[in-house]
Amino acid sequence: QEHLVESGGGVVQPGRSLRLSCVASGFSFSYYGMQWVRQAPGKGLEWVAVISYDGDTQHYADSVRGRFTISRDSPNNTLYLQMNSLRTEDTAVYYCAKVSGRHSGSDFLIDLWGQGNLVIVSS
Amino acid sequence: DIVMTQSPDSLAMSLGERATINCKSSQSVLSTSTNNNFIAWYQQKPGQPPKLLISWASARKSGVPNRFSGSGSGTDFTLTISSLQAEDVAVYYCQQYYSTPLTFGGGTKVEIK
Repeated sequence: QEHLVESGGGVVQPGRSLRLSCVASGFSFSYYGMQWVRQAPGKGLEWVAVISYDGDTQHYADSVRGRFTISRDSPNNTLYLQMNSLRTEDTAVYYCAKVSGRHSGSDFLIDLWGQGNLVIVSS
Repeated sequence: DIVMTQSPDSLAMSLGERATINCKSSQSVLSTSTNNNFIAWYQQKPGQPPKLLISWASARKSGVPNRFSGSGSGTDFTLTISSLQAEDVAVYYCQQYYSTPLTFGGGTKVEIK
């Protein structure tokens, strides 16, 4: 069964850094692109970043570009989100997500979500 | 950026009634080369992550009850729940995956009257 488990969240002060991890199981991790999506408390979903199956291509939301970095360690089935210069508005549940395929469109379509990991940015 | 606008923000229907959620994109998400609309619908129940219901505007994911259906093309899309059940109480989101930044609608909260 396909599964995604996030970790690394917690409380951090503004301006500091945090790295989220997501361990995948039950599917061929190296075959699929992966994404991060976040949800501020009581709010809707906000896309954060996507990385291609081979790690060569990344795209970011304007709100995090230059501060966050998405990366992957395929031999260890792990996705990362390095978050630097954190702001209070980055407070959210961060979801790791798998895309459905590799052909056009499917490489951006999310078909599996992790349970989420809460990040609180507060002084 | 493609802006996704959902309506209504919330709706309360009786059990067995038909629920309709609308989603409009600020530009077409129809690929003329494949004739596919790059629209997904997700269901999020309280305290849970979102779950994919429908992709390509109208393709129901395996295991999703057939009371859920998606329709539309170009810029206007609809999610319909043909006969509302208690377990359908959730927030529903549309999303375009046509181009980055990938964008979601604001969500529609569905409740039982």
